[in-house]
Amino acid sequence: QSALTQPASVSGSPGQSITISCNGTSSDIGGHTSVSWYQQQPGKAPKLIIHDIDHRPSGVSLRFSGSKSGNAASLIISALRAEDEADYYCCSFTASVGYVFGTGTRVTVL
Amino acid sequence: EMQLVESGGGLVQPGGSLRLSCAASGFTFTNYWMSWVRQAPGKGLEWVAKIKEDGSEKYYVDSVRGRFTISRDNAKNAVYLQMNSLRDDDTAVYYCVKFGGAYFDYWGQGTLVTVSS
Repeated sequence: QSALTQPASVSGSPGQSITISCNGTSSDIGGHTSVSWYQQQPGKAPKLIIHDIDHRPSGVSLRFSGSKSGNAASLIISALRAEDEADYYCCSFTASVGYVFGTGTRVTVL
Repeated sequence: EMQLVESGGGLVQPGGSLRLSCAASGFTFTNYWMSWVRQAPGKGLEWVAKIKEDGSEKYYVDSVRGRFTISRDNAKNAVYLQMNSLRDDDTAVYYCVKFGGAYFDYWGQGTLVTVSS
């Protein structure tokens, strides 16, 4: 089971919206609703920001939203802020492995 | 306040063993599956293992099955990862994670394991 595929980097200016893609297969993203997203700021532990495709945990900014279509999921960050600079990882349940993470995307605020 | 505090990391030679511990507080420990996730230096995240609330079910990623054992002590609100036959590619920060059903909803700060001669 290979890692889910994410772009290595995405950048945007403050106030803009950006989208991070996460591509998988019918065995993981396409076959389950257990897609989640994590934000990891430099030197810190990951933090859950989206679960079950499009659900935000309490306390997570409304600027973060998620979606899924077929074998791919997306994380949208709207009204980009400097504090959003971090690495972002998608994750999906897969019956063969258990859980598989994405390759990670570095978000840069220009 | 919810807390997960890992300990037990360090430097170990290839083929050696190490036992990681995670002390949990701030939530009802016996109501949740627990998991370990690791991150090699400069790399992405990899799920390692998970254990059911009562310890009756355990699951592992293929690369550690047969070498690592996850366990828990509900009386102490603790989860453990016994790592045997360690290899260079096991070098990573190991995170203790509370499992929220189908996602990893709270992470500890991690403990670094370095496998090197």
